[in-house]
Amino acid sequence: AQSVSQHNHHVILSEAASLELGCNYSYGGTVNLFWYVQYPGQHLQLLLKYFSGDPLVKGIKGFEAEFIKSKFSFNLRKPSVQWSDTAEYFCAVNAHSGGGADGLTFGKGTHLIIQP
Amino acid sequence: DGGITQSPKYLFRKEGQNVTLSCEQNLNHDAMYWYRQDPGQGLRLIYYSQIVNDFQKGDIAEGYSVSREKKESFPLTVTSAQKNPTAFYLCASSVDWSSYNEQFFGPGTRLTVL
Repeated sequence: AQSVSQHNHHVILSEAASLELGCNYSYGGTVNLFWYVQYPGQHLQLLLKYFSGDPLVKGIKGFEAEFIKSKFSFNLRKPSVQWSDTAEYFCAVNAHSGGGADGLTFGKGTHLIIQP
Repeated sequence: DGGITQSPKYLFRKEGQNVTLSCEQNLNHDAMYWYRQDPGQGLRLIYYSQIVNDFQKGDIAEGYSVSREKKESFPLTVTSAQKNPTAFYLCASSVDWSSYNEQFFGPGTRLTVL
């Protein structure tokens, strides 16, 4: 079974700082990778996803993530954060175990606070 | 507007009572999912349904039951057998059961068992 590890549970940054949130997964086969965000009081929504091809993927609101297969990692980055980026961020994996969508495996989340 | 609705937003129940959480989608999606979110635990999969009239247990199915009689509806029952039912419950759906498809989430139901 796959598992997902997010390194930082709480991150506090000042506006304009650069952001990198770590995500590692454990699964030996082919995976689909996702980053979801949960803004205060809002639905969980997709930031970006990786299925195949270019390992550097760009998402909404200036976020990007890089898939490094050799490191089993899918770290989320943003060059300059804004106060509105305050939210909880979840990394998720869906392994190709038979090809079906048997649900996503989520990391425990990173609570990001941006100070003005 | 297309989307996923969950009701109610907040739910209180006495210990020992069964309770059913509603999830409806008008996205015409085949696959639907239930997750449980606890602080510091992320989301954990309870049950999923790849197509109407079919469903499978997820990682933490004990104490829960579901049905999928209609494509747009996937209610979750939290039974008295669930040892720690107080949590935030999220319903999701995807176009079909392919692992390539993004899952869309509802607003959630916060269940408190007193």
